[in-house]
Amino acid sequence: EVQLVESGGGSVQPGGSLRLSCKASNFIFSNYWMSWVRHTPRKGLEWVANIGQSGGAKYYAASVRGRFTISRSNADHSLHLQMDALRSEDTAIYYCTRGSSGEYPGFYFDFWGLGTLVTVSS
Amino acid sequence: QAALTQPPSVSGAPGQRVTISCSGSSLEIGPGHDVYWYQHLPGAAPKLLIYANDSRPSGVPDRFSGSRSPTSASLAITGLQAEDEADYYCQSYSRLTYVFGTGTKVTVL
Repeated sequence: EVQLVESGGGSVQPGGSLRLSCKASNFIFSNYWMSWVRHTPRKGLEWVANIGQSGGAKYYAASVRGRFTISRSNADHSLHLQMDALRSEDTAIYYCTRGSSGEYPGFYFDFWGLGTLVTVSS
Repeated sequence: QAALTQPPSVSGAPGQRVTISCSGSSLEIGPGHDVYWYQHLPGAAPKLLIYANDSRPSGVPDRFSGSRSPTSASLAITGLQAEDEADYYCQSYSRLTYVFGTGTKVTVL
């Protein structure tokens, strides 16, 4: 079964940085688009960013563009999210998700990890 | 981009049928925009329940069904079971952005 395991969450002050990671297994990682999706009690689920199979194509939600950077390493089957200039509204559970295996990102997410909690507070 | 609108909660007794609606603008849920549904059990990873409006991934019981009209979508759970108590989210894709619903908590009485 596809497995996605997130790590790197924690508490950070506003303006700080954090780097999330996701380790993928039991599928050919390099064949798939990957995304980060976050969940907050107030706003529910919100797509954050996605990245193409080679890492060349990257798209971001307007709320994080310029502050977050998504990347991947196909060699060790891992996805990353570098989060800078963090704000209180970035407090959320961050999920690693799998997208499509095609040329385009795909319209949905077929597998999700358990998530990692990020808390931004002074 | 505004979230899709879902009722905050629905409830039903075991064995009953419940439905969850999902609505939004024509840019998000109009013709040409498929709808997807996820189940999120407490402490678990969200799970894809319905894709392309009414298709079930392998392993999803046929108690779960999706349908849609031109400007909205619905998820139905028939033969409600205690294990169905969870949060449910709809989702669409528009202009390179994924839009989620506000979420519905299903309570089994």
